[in-house]
Parts: sequence; C-alpha cells; structure tokens
Amino acid sequence: DTAVSQTPKYLVTQMGNDKSIKCEQNLGHDTMYWYKQDSKKFLKIMFSYNNKELIINETVPNRFSPKSPDKAHLNLHINSLELGDSAVYFCASSQGAIEAFFGQGTRLTVV
Amino acid sequence: AQTVTQSQPEMSVQEAETVTLSCTYDTSENNYYLFWYKQPPSRQMILVIRQEAYKQQNATENRFSVNFQKAAKSFSLKISDSQLGDTAMYFCAFMGYQGGKLIFGQGTELSVKP
Repeated sequence: DTAVSQTPKYLVTQMGNDKSIKCEQNLGHDTMYWYKQDSKKFLKIMFSYNNKELIINETVPNRFSPKSPDKAHLNLHINSLELGDSAVYFCASSQGAIEAFFGQGTRLTVV
Repeated sequence: AQTVTQSQPEMSVQEAETVTLSCTYDTSENNYYLFWYKQPPSRQMILVIRQEAYKQQNATENRFSVNFQKAAKSFSLKISDSQLGDTAMYFCAFMGYQGGKLIFGQGTELSVKP
C-alpha cells in the first residue's frame, strides 16, 4: 500500500483552466503539506494542515486553494492557471518531527 | 528565519569511492532536526538520514553517515562505497523542534560513474 498517494502524476492543461490535485495518506498522520518544486529543483512549502486546520500558508497566490475534507486527505485546487504555475507539486505527511513522507509528485505543465 | 545552503550544485564520484556533500544552515533555535533526502530520476523523495540537534552522536545508516557540527551549523553527508543507484539529487533540510515544515537547501546533483 502506498503511504502517500497523489493523483494525477502528470497534468497538462491550458492557461486559464482550473485544475485539482488530490492527495491521500494512510499513515494516520495528523499533518499534511503541499510543496512546490520549481524548474531549478528548488523545493518550497506552500501549505500545511494539521487535523484539517490550515496552519501554514506561505505567500502563495489566492488562485491556489487547499482543502482538507479529513485528516487523511489534502487536495490542491488551482484556478486560472498561468504558465508560471508549471512545476512539480508534492504532497507530504508527517507526525511530529520523525520524518515527512512524500507522494510521487504531480508534474503540472501549463501550455 | 531559518535558511539552508548547499554550495555544491553538482558532484561526481567513481563507483566504490567515498563522497561528501556539504550543507550549512542558519537558525536561532537550540533544538531542531536535520535531514538528507534523496531524489532519484523517478522523482520520489526518499529519506536518507535524520539527525536530532540535541544528540551529539552523528547519525549513520549503512553506507550513509553525517558530520554534524552544531556550533558551525554544518551538516555534511558522507556516502561510502558509492553505488550507481546513489545517482540522484540530494537535499539537505531543516525542521524545527515542534515539527512542521521542512526548509530545503538548493540540492546537490550527484553522479556516480562506473
């Protein structure tokens, strides 16, 4: 069983569209995250949820909206996609500071 | 704010040899956690090793070990007996004592040559 799974793995879409990336973890962790990896491979936190509550919101455009229906799921919805949104988006989960487990990543390409 | 710096964008090593990847960080906290993550071409982020700042003993995991110098805020990764499968991007990362977000360095791309 995959610990942290995100879908889809690849997403190609046109500018202006709205898209969602889904993430699920079966580890029983309380905290989930979205990270963005840019074209230079730099990884940066976007959002963090703890027990469905938003606790970290790094200076991310309002077009990005995370939603956590329960503590095992954290989805990322992106409105009005722009070329600069092209990146790899990683979902992760953790329990305290033991280790963060990452999903396989979603490569988003905006054309 | 915490920062993590990896000053070696690329490194290469011959198979079976030893290589050391450098990482420095900046924080005003006394207790925290440091990590090395590996990202192979498959894109998956894999934890290599974890160090707790309040432990003086350097962490080791098989062929991987760290040299943790708290006063110097340095956290280097040594890979012994390098294998072709070690070819990957390696990220150094910081996490505060209460847990929470990881702050990553820029990454070092390691190539192991046969």
